[in-house]
Amino acid sequence: AQTVTQSQPEMSVQEAETVTLSCTYDTSESNYYLFWYKQPPSRQMILVIRQEAYKQQNATENRFSVNFQKAAKSFSLKISDSQLGDTAMYFCAFNYGGSQGNLIFGKGTKLSVKP
Amino acid sequence: DSGVTQTPKHLITATGQRVTLRCSPRSGDLSVYWYQQSLDQGLQFLIQYYNGEERAKGNILERFSAQQFPDLHSELNLSSLELGDSALYFCASSLSPLDRANTEAFFGQGTRLTVV
Repeated sequence: AQTVTQSQPEMSVQEAETVTLSCTYDTSESNYYLFWYKQPPSRQMILVIRQEAYKQQNATENRFSVNFQKAAKSFSLKISDSQLGDTAMYFCAFNYGGSQGNLIFGKGTKLSVKP
Repeated sequence: DSGVTQTPKHLITATGQRVTLRCSPRSGDLSVYWYQQSLDQGLQFLIQYYNGEERAKGNILERFSAQQFPDLHSELNLSSLELGDSALYFCASSLSPLDRANTEAFFGQGTRLTVV
């Protein structure tokens, strides 16, 4: 079975500092896609960053970057220069061909950015 | 704004009732997905449609059904509602199925269903 585990239910960080959210997954597939979604209090699900498993280079989007370790099946999200607007639930997700394209989500990490 | 529209935003209904949730995908998107978000189960995939046809089924109860219409909007029907069906129901859409490269799913703001 394909699973996604986020071991940190809650985290907090001071404004302007850096925080890393952890995600591990279990799959026997060789080609798949990994995602981080943000869900602020407005409850909108917003894609933060995406990584293709066949790409060795870690994805980066402005202040957001990932550390993708394929052998370890690890996909952590680093947020640099944290801002108050980064306060949200963060979900790690992945899909693969056999899932017919639907997303398998972790339980989420609640991130609070403190002034 | 993701471009995916879900109505209604909130719904309160009694046990045993039936409700219909509606989703309009982003213009041009052919795939529609339904997800259920509850406190105990997290985000669970329910069902996916692609260009009017069912493409994948997840943990969807037999009391639930869905369809995608020729204009690509989708409806999720929930019947014989139970207290445990209270959750946030998300619709998402993408141009093509997510197992293809460079495809992104855009989520609506969800429908908060409360069964009393």
